[in-house]
Amino acid sequence: DAGVIQSPRHEVTEMGQEVTLRCKPISGHNSLFWYRQTMMRGLELLIYFNNNVPIDDSGMPEDRFSAKMPNASFSTLKIQPSEPRDSAVYFCASSPQGSYYEQYFGPGTRLTVT
Amino acid sequence: SQKIEQNSEALNIQEGKTATLTCNYTNYSPAYLQWYRQDPGRGPVFLLLIRENEKEKRKERLKVTFDTTLKQSLFHITASQPADSATYLCALDRGSSNTGKLIFGQGTTLQVKP
Repeated sequence: DAGVIQSPRHEVTEMGQEVTLRCKPISGHNSLFWYRQTMMRGLELLIYFNNNVPIDDSGMPEDRFSAKMPNASFSTLKIQPSEPRDSAVYFCASSPQGSYYEQYFGPGTRLTVT
Repeated sequence: SQKIEQNSEALNIQEGKTATLTCNYTNYSPAYLQWYRQDPGRGPVFLLLIRENEKEKRKERLKVTFDTTLKQSLFHITASQPADSATYLCALDRGSSNTGKLIFGQGTTLQVKP
């Protein structure tokens, strides 16, 4: 069974550009989480969805960040405009019904904003 | 504010020995605590969950303890192997119940030398 799929794996962009990160959760999982990992701040939860509905976006750093989940098999995290301080590894994770704690992480997208 | 602390210094041990990693937390009363493993360039992988009413939990060579009085969890790897070398993260649910809103420690890097 395929795990969580993220694309692209690496993204290099210039400051001010729009960046879109994509995630396909594990089939049958109904919760999806977006995290950001940096050396300074560690792994931080940005937003999570339950049954495609955003439940908590209190971790989203600024209005420049937005996330959508149009269906059960796809989610996007968009940064517009991007800034150098957004450089980080962004992870998507999913979990099955009733087991929010057992989260399965994707391989991550390494974003570099120059 | 809520805080999780793990030893930021790398832990170096000899193959065959027991590795013990520590996770301390403040301003929490978590219902459960989790441990994840993260290899370089990969997403975290769920290892174990221990609930507040459990003192100890085992899985193969792994053992986790949870002391809610001390606000501390210990993670043990017995008969360690070079393949156990990785960064280990502890995580707590920061919601009032089982919400999946995990907060992670910074992680401790374990290096097992042959």
